Parts: sequence; C-alpha cells; structure tokens
Amino acid sequence: DQQVKQNSPSLSVQEGRISILNCDYTNSMFDYFLWYKKYPAEGPTFLISISSIKDKNEDGRFTVFLNKSAKHLSLHIVPSQPGDSAVYFCAANYDGQNFVFGPGTRLSVLP
Amino acid sequence: NAGVMQNPRHLVRRRGQEARLRCSPMKGHSHVYWYRQLPEEGLKFMVYLQKENIIDESGMPKERFSAEFPKEGPSILRIQQVVRGDSAAYFCASSPRQGRNTEAFFGQGTRLTVV
Repeated sequence: DQQVKQNSPSLSVQEGRISILNCDYTNSMFDYFLWYKKYPAEGPTFLISISSIKDKNEDGRFTVFLNKSAKHLSLHIVPSQPGDSAVYFCAANYDGQNFVFGPGTRLSVLP
Repeated sequence: NAGVMQNPRHLVRRRGQEARLRCSPMKGHSHVYWYRQLPEEGLKFMVYLQKENIIDESGMPKERFSAEFPKEGPSILRIQQVVRGDSAAYFCASSPRQGRNTEAFFGQGTRLTVV
C-alpha cells in the first residue's frame, strides 16, 4: 500500500511557465514533507520542505503548498527552466521514522 | 549531496557472489538510511540505522541482505549470493538527528549490476 503517491508519472511544461507537481499521502501521522530532485545517474538532491504546522513554504522559484485536510501537497516551480528537467520525488516522515518516498514525476521543460 | 560518500559508484558481480556497498555519512550525521531504486521505479526504503543500532529494517529482504553502521567507519550494506533481481541503484542518505523537521541528504548511489 503506497503511503505517498504521485499520480502523474510525467509532466511537460513550456520554458517560462509554471510547473505544478502533485503529491498525495495516506498516513495522517506524517508531519514533515520534502521534495527532492533527481538527475539520471545522480543521487536525489533536497529541494524544499514543509512542516505540517505551515501551509506554504517558498524558496526562490520553488514553493510548496500543503493541504492537510486533503492530505495533498504540491510543488510549484515558476518560471520553469530547462535545467529543471528531472525526476521529482515527494517524501514524508514523522518523528523518528524513516522517509517514505513517492514514485516520482518526470518533469520535462521544453525550450 | 557531495557530503555523503558512497563507494563504489559501480559494482559488477556474478550471480552467487557477495556485494558490499559502503556509505560514509555527512560529517556530524549519525543517522543513515538505505534505499533501492529499481529501473523505472521510485525509491524504496530498505533500512534505517543509527550508530551501532538498526532502528528500522522493515524494508530489507529477510534473506541475503544485511546492514551495519559500526561505531567507527562507514555503513555497509551487504548482499550475499546476489541474483539478477538485485541489480539496481542503491542510495544511502544521512541526517544529523532523529526527530522532527529533519532532512536527509543523499549520496551519488552505487549501481549494482549482477551478470
């Protein structure tokens, strides 16, 4: 049973536009959420996180939104750049537990 | 990302051999996580260790796989009698502490190929 879901395996966006990546979770114990970016043949790189006490966290072009009642979070990238093309993983955890990852969404930013 | 060191980057083993994957966490980090990524799949949790202790090994196959994180030295993921299905990328991550609001930082991974 997948506790963290990313229902879109892939997403294509035009350069300069907004990219929106979605993530849903089922475990109501999760209280910390993270987004990672992964290029081929490299390890995942931490991007941005959000605690369950917040509903938004922003860092430059990246903003994460959390809707606890819907058990849903999203990552917005604006403006999207070709270098953002990668696989994006959503992850979640709670106190003392391991990080549970979603299956990933492959983002392609077209020039 | 470069702070977590994994070696080797690539490992080729024949069926039946043993594979040893090493992970040195970032300086000051005492928590280590191992994940496996099969081709075209996401990151699957295997094991979570703290120095000299296994905290959670619920994602580890019951046979042939073991992990340790000794007081001195790197964390080791050991796969005995490898089979073709073990071919995957194995990623190690570390975090500075247990508890809330902690990020994990990943190494570059070890790509195991079983021939």
